[in-house]
Amino acid sequence: AQKITQTQPGMFVQEKEAVTLDCTYDTSDQSYGLFWYKQPSSGEMIFLIYQGSYDEQNATEGRYSLNFQKARKSANLVISASQLGDSAMYFCAMREGAGANNLFFGTGTRLTVIP
Amino acid sequence: NAGVTQTPKFRILKIGQSMTLQCTQDMNHNYMYWYRQDPGMGLKLIYYSVGAGITDKGEVPNGYNVSRSTTEDFPLRLELAAPSQTSVYFCASSSSLWLPDTQYFGPGTRLTVL
Repeated sequence: AQKITQTQPGMFVQEKEAVTLDCTYDTSDQSYGLFWYKQPSSGEMIFLIYQGSYDEQNATEGRYSLNFQKARKSANLVISASQLGDSAMYFCAMREGAGANNLFFGTGTRLTVIP
Repeated sequence: NAGVTQTPKFRILKIGQSMTLQCTQDMNHNYMYWYRQDPGMGLKLIYYSVGAGITDKGEVPNGYNVSRSTTEDFPLRLELAAPSQTSVYFCASSSSLWLPDTQYFGPGTRLTVL
């Protein structure tokens, strides 16, 4: 089974509006962490936000927030007030357990912000 | 602060050739990683290292070798390049394996094998 599933290959959003990028995960570990990365057309991977499995509150970083629903095993990224510079690929990733070396990545969602 | 740097940015290889992808980090991180990203896919772990002299295989290690002689450098060696190794290669580093430590990525090397 896929560890990380991103079901939206592409999304469009109007500038200044909010958008939600979906991510579901599969793990039997109690301790795990969820990450979102942005990959602009230039290719680098930029860390955006982190949510730990034991965190009681949803993570927020500026215009990024993570809608964490543990029972549903979902960790959706919410981008508020979209900007043209937000157009990029977005990857959800997970690390399991303590001392785990591997980040499992989803296949990504391409976000296009429309002026 | 340069973070994680990778060279070269682009490379074209012929089948059967060899090359080394360079990765250097200046954050004094003990943990370093090599990933590959195939078109339209997420990243997959090739090899990782928990410190100088210690390396281990990830999900997709076949066709690659690594070494870690210093904390800063973690080169990835491709022997006998094959078209299946056409991919974008990312090096990453982190200060620990423990959550919530984040892996920080280099800019990537785009490799084409013809």
